[in-house]
Amino acid sequence: QVTLKESGPALVKPTQTLTLTCTFSGFSLTTSGLRVSWIRQPPGKALEWLARIDWDDDKFYRTSLEDRLTISKDTSKNQVVLTMTNMDPVDTATYYCARTGVLGGAFDVWGQGTKVTVSS
Amino acid sequence: QSALTQPASVSGSPGQSITISCTGTSRDVGGYNYVSWYQQHPGKAPKLIIYDVSNRPSGVSNRFSGSKSGNTASLTISGLQAEDEADYYCSSYTGSSTVVFGGGTNLAVL
Repeated sequence: QVTLKESGPALVKPTQTLTLTCTFSGFSLTTSGLRVSWIRQPPGKALEWLARIDWDDDKFYRTSLEDRLTISKDTSKNQVVLTMTNMDPVDTATYYCARTGVLGGAFDVWGQGTKVTVSS
Repeated sequence: QSALTQPASVSGSPGQSITISCTGTSRDVGGYNYVSWYQQHPGKAPKLIIYDVSNRPSGVSNRFSGSKSGNTASLTISGLQAEDEADYYCSSYTGSSTVVFGGGTNLAVL
């Protein structure tokens, strides 16, 4: 059974750096073709893709946030970490991690999401 | 990375069919057969219902179908049921190895 679970702080202050961890099971990010992405959803708004890391350590970022995002993986721990610098109240959202690479380019398995509020 | 365009809301009666459109450009929807559709109930994570334009994952009802023409993809739900009431999002791979989502469509089953 494939599962992903996000963890991180529920509350961060403006200008702080957010660090989120996606811990997964049921697959390995050393398997060719597999990828993990981070996606967020502000309250009442649409999904927004943020970043992706591939089995071969290739990394891709949302253009508008590229200078604030860093994605990395620890294959020994089955974890993918996303950091976002200089947090702002507009970054308040539920953050999801999701897997791709099994069913074309689709996100076939999602985590439950973790809610992050940015407020002083 | 402009969002794909979806209608904000659609509605239908039980048993009817509805179609949700998803319009992009030749750099995303029109350029690749990597359009996916997701169903999201309130407070829940999205669930994949269509991948690669028209394929259904195992376990997804055959009442859900997808298609594409040019820069517009479509999701059709036939035989509407109360449980289909949810938000629906399309997504597409883009030429810069990124992903773009649609603005989402709220489906009301009246």
